[in-house]
Amino acid sequence: EAGVAQSPRYKIIEKRQSVAFWCNPISGHATLYWYQQILGQGPKLLIQFQNNGVVDDSQLPKDRFSAERLKGVDSTLKIQPAKLEDSAVYLCASRDSGGSSYNEQFFGPGTRLTVL
Amino acid sequence: DQQVKQNSPSLSVQEGRISILNCDYTNSMFDYFLWYKKYPAEGPTFLISISSIKDKNEDGRFTVFLNKSAKHLSLHIVPSQPGDSAVYFCAASGLNTGGFKTIFGAGTRLFVKA
Repeated sequence: EAGVAQSPRYKIIEKRQSVAFWCNPISGHATLYWYQQILGQGPKLLIQFQNNGVVDDSQLPKDRFSAERLKGVDSTLKIQPAKLEDSAVYLCASRDSGGSSYNEQFFGPGTRLTVL
Repeated sequence: DQQVKQNSPSLSVQEGRISILNCDYTNSMFDYFLWYKKYPAEGPTFLISISSIKDKNEDGRFTVFLNKSAKHLSLHIVPSQPGDSAVYFCAASGLNTGGFKTIFGAGTRLFVKA
């Protein structure tokens, strides 16, 4: 079974530029999450999708961050414009909504963003 | 508002000994607790979990204990191996409006010395 794929793995941009991250979840996983992990902290949920609908985006800074999951499969997370404090690892995870592992999330390798 | 706290940023243990990683939570509505393990440059991987209706779950060398009255859980690794050196995240989840929202602690970095 292929895991969660993310690209790019690394990105360096200057502040006020825009950037986009891509995630391909495990096939058949209806739930998709985007997390922000700042150095020394745990992953913080930015947005959660169920199929192509948003379940929770309460911690997404909507003035600069946006995310979509067209057709309920791949997802993109965009930051425009970026700020210095956006430097972090952005993790995508997916979850099977049924079965014995229904509570376990599967994470991708993450995208490390550096904003200069 | 840290609902899940891991107060020890790091822990060093000798190979073969027991590693005990601790986690405290504040929200009594959490109904599932998980531990994830993270190696550098990789995403977290699921390790073990426990439902709030249980007080212990064991999987090989890994055991998770839950004390609901104290809102405390711990992960025991016996015996510890050098390959266990990683960052361990405690996580708690509960049913929100339509899905399971998971809150992560800040992590504990475990060093297992050979």
